[in-house]
Amino acid sequence: NAGVTQTPKFQVLKTGQSMTLQCAQDMNHEYMSWYRQDPGMGLRLIHYSVGAGITDQGEVPNGYNVSRSTTEDFPLRLLSAAPSQTSVYFCASSGITRGSLIYEQYFGPGTRLTVT
Amino acid sequence: KNQVEQSPQSLIILEGKNCTLQCNYTVSPFSNLRWYKQDTGRGPVSLTIMTFSENTKSNGRYTATLDADTKQSSLHITASQLSDSASYICVVSRGPYSSASKIIFGSGTRLSIRP
Repeated sequence: NAGVTQTPKFQVLKTGQSMTLQCAQDMNHEYMSWYRQDPGMGLRLIHYSVGAGITDQGEVPNGYNVSRSTTEDFPLRLLSAAPSQTSVYFCASSGITRGSLIYEQYFGPGTRLTVT
Repeated sequence: KNQVEQSPQSLIILEGKNCTLQCNYTVSPFSNLRWYKQDTGRGPVSLTIMTFSENTKSNGRYTATLDADTKQSSLHITASQLSDSASYICVVSRGPYSSASKIIFGSGTRLSIRP
């Protein structure tokens, strides 16, 4: 049981380039989400999904696309990278913990992205 | 506005000492409050989760308290160890369901433990 995995761990892009950050979970969770973390700020929600085929925007969705074709995978696409997208990106999946009604959120190790 | 504010922003203490981190929130309606530990270069990991009816919860040397009336929470760390050096994030979920769109993160307290 690997939990939530993210690739790559580090990435440097030039302005205007596109790329996809990968995220996968093996806990059969319906909820998955993408966050960005910037210095001095709390994690901010980019996009989230409540199940395969269903996605929605979070707090800061501009410049990012997502899709959810399977329960396991939730890739994040940067369409045309900008320096303002330099950040650490975290993928998370959420599911009800055994014996309770509370959603527990599990985070991946993060992708550190630099856009020059 | 739904907000979560943490204090102090950063804290340095000597190994073996105790410390308390604070979290104030204005989230409504309240569902639950979590404390996460985030080691440098890693994703956050859950320490405790408290619902409205719980006012204290422990996880080893970590004890979280919740006062739902004053909308305050604290995380107390006892007998600190070097491995406690990390950022501690307070997270509040709006009710009634903890979907990703209803979770508000604090900006964290960076704790450094000195030998």
